[in-house]
Amino acid sequence: QVTLRESGPALVKPTQTLTLTCTFSGFSLSSKRMRVSWIRQPPGKALEWLARIDWDDGKFYSPSLKTRLSISRDTSKNQVVLTMTNMDPVDTATFFCARIDFGDDYWGQGTLVTVSS
Amino acid sequence: QAVVTQEPSLTVSPGGTVTLTCASSTGAVTGRHYTYWFQQKPGQAPRALIYDTSNKHSWTPARFSGSLLGGKAALTLSGAQPDDEAEYYCLLSYSDARLFGGGTKLTVL
Repeated sequence: QVTLRESGPALVKPTQTLTLTCTFSGFSLSSKRMRVSWIRQPPGKALEWLARIDWDDGKFYSPSLKTRLSISRDTSKNQVVLTMTNMDPVDTATFFCARIDFGDDYWGQGTLVTVSS
Repeated sequence: QAVVTQEPSLTVSPGGTVTLTCASSTGAVTGRHYTYWFQQKPGQAPRALIYDTSNKHSWTPARFSGSLLGGKAALTLSGAQPDDEAEYYCLLSYSDARLFGGGTKLTVL
């Protein structure tokens, strides 16, 4: 059974760096064709794809946010970590990690991150 | 940088048919965009209905279908039901990233 769970701070201050962890089970990110993505959704607004890391450690970022994002993995812990620098109140959103490639459709429950001083 | 465009809102009568579209600013949407369609209801994570343009998941109701139509990706709902009222998002793959559309709020009324 595939599960993903996001964890991280619920509140960050403007200019701080956000670090979120996706802990997953039921698959290995070292296995071929495995990919984990991060997506965010501001309250009442649309989904936004942020980044993805692949089984071969390939990394891909949203063009509009690539200067602020970094994605990494710890295959021994079954974790994917997303960092986003220079947080701003407009970055307030629910952040999801998910497997949404090659016909997959697995999502974490999401974690709400509020950016406020 | 590409932009993916969907109709902001659409209304369909119960039992009716509606087509939602997904356009790319870079040109025609093709099979190589590996289009996903997601349904999202308030307070819930999105759920995929269609992947790779036209493939359905085991849970996808038969009344939903995906296709390419006039240079866009399309999601057609035939025989709308009240439970289909939701936000729908397309997701396109590009060479180095993926992009969601802005979503279509579908009202069944």
